Amino acid sequence: NAGVTQTPKFQVLKTGQSMTLQCAQDMNHNSMYWYRQDPGMGLRLIYYSASEGTTDKGEVPNGYNVSRLNKREFSLRLESAAPSQTSVYFCASSESRVGPNQPQHFGDGTRLSIL
Amino acid sequence: AQSVAQPEDQVNVAEGNPLTVKCTYSVSGNPYLFWYVQYPNRGLQFLLKYITGDNLVKGSYGFEAEFNKSQTSFHLKKPSALVSDSALYFCAARMNTGFQKLVFGTGTRLLVSP
Repeated sequence: NAGVTQTPKFQVLKTGQSMTLQCAQDMNHNSMYWYRQDPGMGLRLIYYSASEGTTDKGEVPNGYNVSRLNKREFSLRLESAAPSQTSVYFCASSESRVGPNQPQHFGDGTRLSIL
Repeated sequence: AQSVAQPEDQVNVAEGNPLTVKCTYSVSGNPYLFWYVQYPNRGLQFLLKYITGDNLVKGSYGFEAEFNKSQTSFHLKKPSALVSDSALYFCAARMNTGFQKLVFGTGTRLLVSP
């Protein structure tokens, strides 16, 4: 099982460039999430999609947009990248229809550097 | 507001000794609590969760966690540490009603020396 797949694994951008991070899950989960991980700050939620067709802001949504393309795919877009967005980005999914006690499953991350 | 605290940035323990990684939470109502582990250049992997019932929860790789409601704590434990347990550990909390987001602690790096 692939689980949660993120592409690309690494990317370097220049300030002002745009980019879309891709995420796909093959577990038929209905909820998907985007986090960023920065040293000493743990994981912070950027956006989430409780179910197909819905998206909501998380803790740090500024500078990002998302699209829940279908049940499997949830993309994160940086319209005009800034150095403060240098981070490791993680996508996750969970099966929330059976209750909020289901663990989230994570991809291996996209390491993004913005110069 | 919900919050999770992991007071130790790093825990050092010798192989074969017991280990404890601390976590305290501030969540309204009854929480769902989770522990995740992260190995270098990998995503987070689920270890165990507390929902309700027995305060001692057993999980993957010999780990267990003790829920203490009066101290609002959920410490991760293992009786005998392995070098391969060295990793970054995250505690997370979620309210048990509605669609609530996970709140993560800042992580604790565990170093197990041979």
